Amino acid sequence: DGGITQSPKYLFRKEGQNVTLSCEQNLNHDAMYWYRQDPGQGLRLIYYSQIVNDFQKGDIAEGYSVSREKKESFPLTVTSAQKNPTAFYLCASSNPYVNNSPLHFGNGTRLTVT
Amino acid sequence: QKEVEQDPGPLSVPEGAIVSLNCTYSNSAFQYFMWYRQYSRKGPELLMYTYSSGNKEDGRFTAQVDKSSKYISLFIRDSQPSDSATYLCATDSSASKIIFGSGTRLSIRP
Repeated sequence: DGGITQSPKYLFRKEGQNVTLSCEQNLNHDAMYWYRQDPGQGLRLIYYSQIVNDFQKGDIAEGYSVSREKKESFPLTVTSAQKNPTAFYLCASSNPYVNNSPLHFGNGTRLTVT
Repeated sequence: QKEVEQDPGPLSVPEGAIVSLNCTYSNSAFQYFMWYRQYSRKGPELLMYTYSSGNKEDGRFTAQVDKSSKYISLFIRDSQPSDSATYLCATDSSASKIIFGSGTRLSIRP
């Protein structure tokens, strides 16, 4: 079955530690995205990548970093510089060569930092 | 002003009722409008999409866009408990950026 796999589902970290969230897709999509979801705020774009070895900042990139070494993988690192890291993180992919291709989402990683 | 505004609810209706979910948007250049459904602890999934003004129907669901008033709606007929979820409206600000509303939490009472 084609889809997006995010792992782990729940992640707990101490303040001051960096943490990396995994996102893998087997949909053969070129574009991948990271969103953050907080109660009452909807989805906010952190980073996106249209092609391997290239990525752009979204609306709330500060305190986050990404890499795109392989088409299938787009890991997100939440650094200690992120002031409010506790949130639900969603990875998505799409085919940018198809007009208005919908976003396909993974089932998210809930990160709790204490 | 947010680019897409959506009442967060929660909205609770009895089974079988007609549900109306609504969003407003600020930029008249937006052309493509989507509704995503998100079950608890899951990722959103695309429910419907429409271009420009008018209605689009898919089974019990109807998406409506009124570009003159910058208003988008999702109607659910004969609502079922399985429709209980958060519904997110969304629109395209560019080819690579989709803007989401904050989501409306819907609960259908059996």
